[in-house]
Formats: sequence, structure tokens, C-alpha cells
Amino acid sequence: QQQVKQSPQSLIVQKGGISIINCAYENTAFDYFPWYQQFPGKGPALLIAIRPDVSEKKEGRFTISFNKSAKQFSLHIMDSQPGDSATYFCAASISGGATNKLIFGTGTLLAVQP
Amino acid sequence: GAGVSQSPSNKVTEKGKDVELRCDPISGHTALYWYRQSLGQGLEFLIYFQGNSAPDKSGLPSDRFSAERTGGSVSTLTIQRTQQEDSAVYLCASSLGHSNNEQFFGPGTRLTVL
Repeated sequence: QQQVKQSPQSLIVQKGGISIINCAYENTAFDYFPWYQQFPGKGPALLIAIRPDVSEKKEGRFTISFNKSAKQFSLHIMDSQPGDSATYFCAASISGGATNKLIFGTGTLLAVQP
Repeated sequence: GAGVSQSPSNKVTEKGKDVELRCDPISGHTALYWYRQSLGQGLEFLIYFQGNSAPDKSGLPSDRFSAERTGGSVSTLTIQRTQQEDSAVYLCASSLGHSNNEQFFGPGTRLTVL
């Protein structure tokens, strides 16, 4: 019940295209859903996050869509650029509990071709 | 401002030796987390410190792993009698506090156990 399932494992997109990465969770107590971007040799960097009281959040070219009833959320990268090539992780956590530990998905390796 | 810093960036050790990994969180952040990133297991939670509360050690994989946080700031993760399966990148993250889930990660320490 603590798992977060992420797909696809890898993704190739042409420059200017839309990249879509999906995640699903089981634990309905999760109330914070961040996405992290990680470049080789670097730590994960917080990209964008959403809470379940909204269905969509947009920051620049990055959008999270959240479907509470389906227990799914996704990251959309519009106008994808070669510099977006990285590994993306979704995560989930429960606020205000004994711990705010993040439960991570398994990651998606995105390659944006020029 | 300065982000989360970790040292060393790389550590190579022999099986059976003890290692210490250090994390300096963002100034003012009261919550500190350790995670481990390995090829087979993805990103997994190890331990969480929040202020003066007892740490959440639920993610530590064995009693060879321990961590402490002195003065509410710097943290040290210690692995005793290292094994080859301990080889991974150890990541530290910090956040403002218990009610704030935005976790910012350091660059990690890559541990290789020969």
C-alpha cells in the first residue's frame, strides 16, 4: 500500500513534443505529490508538487494533472527540450504524520532528441 | 543561499570497514532525511530527524546503520562493517519543518564497497 508505481521506465520524445509520465498510488492518506528531476551525478531537484485539493498545477512548461478518484497523477512537459533529458521521479508522502518520508516511484529516463 | 551539502562526494572502502557520511542541511531547516539510491532498489527512505523529537529509524536496513544529528543541524550516517550490497548513493535532504514537505536534496555521497 506504500508503493508508488511509475511508468514508463523510459521515454524518447522529439524536441518540441510533449512528454508525459504517469504515477499511481494506493494509500489514500497520501496528501503531497512532488516530482523530482535528476541529472547524472546530481541529487534530485524538486520540480513541481501538488496536493489533492486541486486537479492541476502548472509552472512554466511543467504541469501536474491529479485524479483523486483514480489515485493517479501525471507530469506533462510541454515543448520538451534536449536540456530536459534527465530522470524524473514521482513521489508521495503523508503530511503531519510521524514522518514526512517520501515514497518514490521507480523513475523515468527521458531523452529529448534534437 | 547555500543548499544541502554532503561529504565526501565519493567514498571507496573495503568490505568490513566502517564509514561515516556527513550532511549539512539548509540553514533554518529543522527536518533532515537520509535516503539511499541504488540500481536495484531505487530511492528508499532511511531515517528522519525533526527538531528534538525521536528520529524515525524505520527505513534503516540493518543494525549496522545508524545516524545522529548534533545540535539540530549537521547529521552523520554511519555504516559499520560495510558489505558490498551497501554500495549506493546516499542522499540527504532537508525541509523547513514537520508541516512542510518540500524536501531539498544534496548531491549525495557515492559509496563503493570493494
